[in-house]
Amino acid sequence: GAGVSQSPSNKVTEKGKDVELRCDPISGHTALYWYRQSLGQGLEFLIYFQGNSAPDKSGLPSDRFSAERTGGSVSTLTIQRTQQEDSAVYLCASSPSTGETQYFGPGTRLLVL
Amino acid sequence: AQTVTQSQPEMSVQEAETVTLSCTYDTSENNYYLFWYKQPPSRQMILVIRQEAYKQQNATENRFSVNFQKAAKSFSLKISDSQLGDTAMYFCAFGGFFGQNFVFGPGTRLSVLP
Repeated sequence: GAGVSQSPSNKVTEKGKDVELRCDPISGHTALYWYRQSLGQGLEFLIYFQGNSAPDKSGLPSDRFSAERTGGSVSTLTIQRTQQEDSAVYLCASSPSTGETQYFGPGTRLLVL
Repeated sequence: AQTVTQSQPEMSVQEAETVTLSCTYDTSENNYYLFWYKQPPSRQMILVIRQEAYKQQNATENRFSVNFQKAAKSFSLKISDSQLGDTAMYFCAFGGFFGQNFVFGPGTRLSVLP
């Protein structure tokens, strides 16, 4: 079946612009995670959605970052007024339920000039 | 807060040999999950193996096995009969029982040499 998909694959933007990154989880998966991975680094947790519960936003680095998940499926990560330090790969993952294996998308590589 | 430590930034192993990657973690929770993920140069993160903390038996998956020591909070990954395709970054990860507090370690870059 279809895995987790993310779009765009690559995004180049200018400092100060807003960007939206999209994640389509595996159908039926109730949990969805966003991570950030800087070059050669590990994964930094950003935000976690589980069903209809309030999201865990504890990993968002600043109020320029926000995310929503519509209808318990597709999720959008928005970065406002992008900065050069926002350049990274943004990974999305979904899982069937809490504690289960996370299935990752291919990521979106964001470059802020 | 949970932490995950991988003390080996880089490792190499000869093809067909066995290698062990180390991982330690810190948590006050009693029930949780531990994972090893692999990220090849293609960037796609793939699950290697998963362990439930309430299970005493070590998880195995073909050539991959873990040594889970709950009291010591240690979760090492053993790769037997290493293959060139095993070359990747390996991340150890902790997940709370209810999906919260998901933390990845910094990773170990493994190179399998021909």
